Amino acid sequence: AQKVTQAQTEISVVEKEDVTLDCVYETRDTTYYLFWYKQPPSGELVFLIRRNSFDEQNEISGRYSWNFQKSTSSFNFTITASQVVDSAVYFCALSEARTSNYQLIWGAGTKLIIKP
Amino acid sequence: DTGVSQDPRHKITKRGQNVTFRCDPISEHNRLYWYRQTLGQGPEFLTYFQNEAQLEKSRLLSDRFSAERPKGSFSTLEIQRTEQGDSAMYLCASSHGLAGGEQYFGPGTRLTVT
Repeated sequence: AQKVTQAQTEISVVEKEDVTLDCVYETRDTTYYLFWYKQPPSGELVFLIRRNSFDEQNEISGRYSWNFQKSTSSFNFTITASQVVDSAVYFCALSEARTSNYQLIWGAGTKLIIKP
Repeated sequence: DTGVSQDPRHKITKRGQNVTFRCDPISEHNRLYWYRQTLGQGPEFLTYFQNEAQLEKSRLLSDRFSAERPKGSFSTLEIQRTEQGDSAMYLCASSHGLAGGEQYFGPGTRLTVT
């Protein structure tokens, strides 16, 4: 069973629109960590945010915001006033405390296309 | 401040040849990970080091793959007798030792086996 589900394979919006990328996770651990990474066309994975399971506060960083809801096992990512430079594949990932190596379990990614 | 670096960035090899990739992590990070990524997929865990100790290998990793991290600094990933199915992007990441610490990735090595 998939532990991290990103149901949206591809999203295309026009610049300046707001867009939300969904992430649903599955774990039996009470202690876990959630991440979002951006992979632009250049290929390098860029870390965006880390959240631990005990911190459900939403976070805002400029045009980016994240909504963590344990009740629905979701960790959604919203870009406000999207820009062409936001075009990339975005990955959600989970790290479980019971795995001592803290390896990341990845979703399949959502390809975001921002059209000018 | 230098990030994670990987060398080479691209490698084309013929089936049956051996290849070796290098990863230099962020200097203060003691954890180092290798992942493989194919087109349209998320990264797939291969192996993990804490300092110089290789603590885990994925069951998906065949015996043709070996990794080292001498002295707990840079790491190498070697693939022997390459197969076309080995064609992928090989990613290295490093993190500090704290629980659930974020991993920082290098630019990757794209391997093409012809």
